[in-house]
Formats: sequence, C-alpha cells, structure tokens
Amino acid sequence: QVQLQQSGPGLVKPSQTLSLTCAISGDSVSSNSAAWSWIRQSPSRGLEWLARTYYRSKWYFDYSVSVMGRATISPDTSRNQFSLQLNSLTPEDTAVYYCVRGGSHFEPWGQGTLVTVSS
Amino acid sequence: DIQMTQSPSSLSASVGDRVTITCRASQSVVNYLNWYQQKPGKAPELLIYSTSSLQSGVPSRFRGSGSGTEFTLTISSLQPEDFATYYCQQSYTSPRVTFGAGTKVEIK
Repeated sequence: QVQLQQSGPGLVKPSQTLSLTCAISGDSVSSNSAAWSWIRQSPSRGLEWLARTYYRSKWYFDYSVSVMGRATISPDTSRNQFSLQLNSLTPEDTAVYYCVRGGSHFEPWGQGTLVTVSS
Repeated sequence: DIQMTQSPSSLSASVGDRVTITCRASQSVVNYLNWYQQKPGKAPELLIYSTSSLQSGVPSRFRGSGSGTEFTLTISSLQPEDFATYYCQQSYTSPRVTFGAGTKVEIK
C-alpha cells in the first residue's frame, strides 16, 4: 500500500524559507495516474490546499492563490519523493503541513509536520 | 473560492445512534464532494469520494448523499471508533479545492 513519510524542521524564523520533503513508498512520483499535493491545517485557516505536481509525459505544477509566488513544489524522481519550499514566512504560516497523494481527493496522507514560525 | 459550510459544528451522540452531518456549498459542485475523518493528533483519512463512493476499507455504516449545493454524511449506527472530526471537501474547482470547517462528533 502507498505510504508517505514526511521530513523537515519544526521551527523556522520569520522571513526564512521552509523546506519539507515527502518520501513515497508503494507508488511512483512520476506515475502517469497519480498526483501529489501539499495541504496545511491551522486553527485560523482550517484545511488549506497549497500545491500539486503530477507527470503526464511532462511535469505540471499548480499552486493556490494564497501561496503563489512564495511556494515551489518539486518532484525528485531519483529518490521517489517530492518537496515543498515556502519562502518569506510569517507567523500566519504556522500550521501542520501534510503531503498527500491526489489532486482532487486525497489519500493517503503523510503523518504531518507541525511548523512553527517564530523568532 | 467556493465556501463550504458544515452543520452542526459539533454534536454529542451515543454509541448506536444515527448521526447526520450536513455540508452546503456556496455554489453547485455537482457531485464533486468528498468526506474525511480526522482523529486527534492524526492526519485526515478519506471516507467517501464523489458524494457517495465508499473508499476501500471504510465500513458500510458510512453513507454519503446529495448533489449540487447540499450534501450529507450519515453514520447509521455510531461506533466507539467513530468519535472524531469530519470534514467535507469540494473538488469541483480542482486543484484549488476547499474544505469545510469540520464537525466534531463527541460522546454523550
């Protein structure tokens, strides 16, 4: 079965860049039938979809309006994983970040990473 | 963005009760409506997709229905493991999907 294992820091300073990675087992990041997304959850904003990547003869990338220009989602085919970089962090970016398989409905989810933006 | 409104925001119920949660969309999402269950400290898990299709491994006591702007999740006989928070999510505007704020099901 597909499993997603997240890694990345839990504490980041304001204005810095967050880097999170999601390792995939049981599927391929370059599958022609899957998509891979990042979603975050906070008390103030609830569940919020951030970004998606998928491969259909070439790579495609989509971003939410709220993070467009600040976020980059990147596949790594050599390690079968994908990552999220989010720059210019503010305390509003404090949330639990999840990697997920899917672009319309989502399953499975990674274990979640609590990211706190604080000096 | 399409706004998703869930009601109630919380409810108390007993084991064996029938529970219904409602999700309303600010505009039609046709049948592009999904439901998730989240337990404390855990990631959400997909229960139902496309309004009424049960995700593999999900018990048949969970049922989804509706269309357009109004949808329901029904648990026919609440079990101890069903106490959790439930979220609806529209995928009509995929990939820019939106979620409801959640309904917390607590033990009476």
